Amino acid sequence: GMPVEQNPPALSLYEGADSGLRCNFSTTMKSVQWFQQNHRGRLITLFYLAQGTKENGRLKSTFNSKERYSTLHIKDAQLEDSGTYFCAAEGSNTDKVVFGTGTRLQVSP
Amino acid sequence: EAGVTQSPRYAVLQEGQAVSFWCDPISGHDTLYWYQQPRDQGPQLLVYFRDEAVIDNSQLPSDRFSAVRPKGTNSTLKIQSAKQGDTATYLCASRRTGGAVQNTLYFGAGTRLSVL
Repeated sequence: GMPVEQNPPALSLYEGADSGLRCNFSTTMKSVQWFQQNHRGRLITLFYLAQGTKENGRLKSTFNSKERYSTLHIKDAQLEDSGTYFCAAEGSNTDKVVFGTGTRLQVSP
Repeated sequence: EAGVTQSPRYAVLQEGQAVSFWCDPISGHDTLYWYQQPRDQGPQLLVYFRDEAVIDNSQLPSDRFSAVRPKGTNSTLKIQSAKQGDTATYLCASRRTGGAVQNTLYFGAGTRLSVL
């Protein structure tokens, strides 16, 4: 199966709501990166984590290599947060970086 | 620093035609990746290089696709005889591996290919 499983596939939020996305890994990963893909298709890096938790404004991400998961939490969702979010994980004994299937987020007024 | 540069931005082909995509990574980045992203799907790794060496091309359809990075800098991905199923955006990414810095992957804007 897919080494990176991402949920949910789609998410609808109202402005001001909080929610979370999750990636589960079938094997131990060395690092994870979270991206937002905008309407023009550009992949924008949100976080790179080799372990632990990082925060940036309304976004927070956690990576637990031992438990094989990573999360991205969005607080106080805004219209500009709409887009598709991907996690991408690096295998522990390789430089190969594999993407999750993505979460399509729609934020409404 | 300059980002990852890809060209062309768009390509439209008939089935059976050939096409090449070009990628200029960030200076000093030893590892370069090519991904294929069909519409409404996540990027799927085709091939990656460290310097000029191919490290993994197991997902590259070898009968029609080829990729090179002869001097360990720029890279070219070529489709010999395009099929409608190749319609997708082709993304190039680069990063510096190893060392003490975080190995963030940086992406180019992509080449959007339509095969009619």
